[in-house]
Amino acid sequence: SQQGEEDPQALSIQEGENATMNCSYKTSINNLQWYRQNSGRGLVHLILIRSNEREKHSGRLRVTLDTSKKSSSLLITASRAADTASYFCATVPTSGSRLTFGEGTQLTVNP
Amino acid sequence: DGGITQSPKYLFRKEGQNVTLSCEQNLNHDAMYWYRQDPGQGLRLIYYSQIVNDFQKGDIAEGYSVSREKKESFPLTVTSAQKNPTAFYLCASSTHRTDNEQFFGPGTRLTVL
Repeated sequence: SQQGEEDPQALSIQEGENATMNCSYKTSINNLQWYRQNSGRGLVHLILIRSNEREKHSGRLRVTLDTSKKSSSLLITASRAADTASYFCATVPTSGSRLTFGEGTQLTVNP
Repeated sequence: DGGITQSPKYLFRKEGQNVTLSCEQNLNHDAMYWYRQDPGQGLRLIYYSQIVNDFQKGDIAEGYSVSREKKESFPLTVTSAQKNPTAFYLCASSTHRTDNEQFFGPGTRLTVL
């Protein structure tokens, strides 16, 4: 079953703008992870944030986690055409140990 | 793609045939996974293995089989019992903890003719 749900399903922005994607989930989690997938390729891990963390940064990426609202957001600052990809959140519930992926947000960055 | 290889990249199969997808990793990871991805969808877990000679069913194991005879290898067989096998198949691995980050292979696109 898919626990994470990304919002929006699709996002189109201009180069240089910021992109924000959201993920909501249903049950308590151990950690939440964000992955990127370029068209027709495998997924690439971006960031892992644990349930006791509120914010993490990695380069132009910023991830926040609000466990009270059961939601997370991924912010990509100063976007580039190369950021065009699908972005997935994946959660590990406290009641289990396996990742469950959402259906992703398709980001298009126009040059 | 992080030390995980999948072959072939594209695979065509006639209805009623079994087919085996290869997945090899040189990351010395204990855990390996197989996912299925349909167009515009997320990933669904087929099977996973946390240790050699042991594996568990995921959410959509029907019509699939796996083996884990070596740490480096986790082949997936799509059997004729799988009703709708056309999809993109992704293999991944992680360190022994299944809640750690996963490293993905490039995928195999299977088409049933």
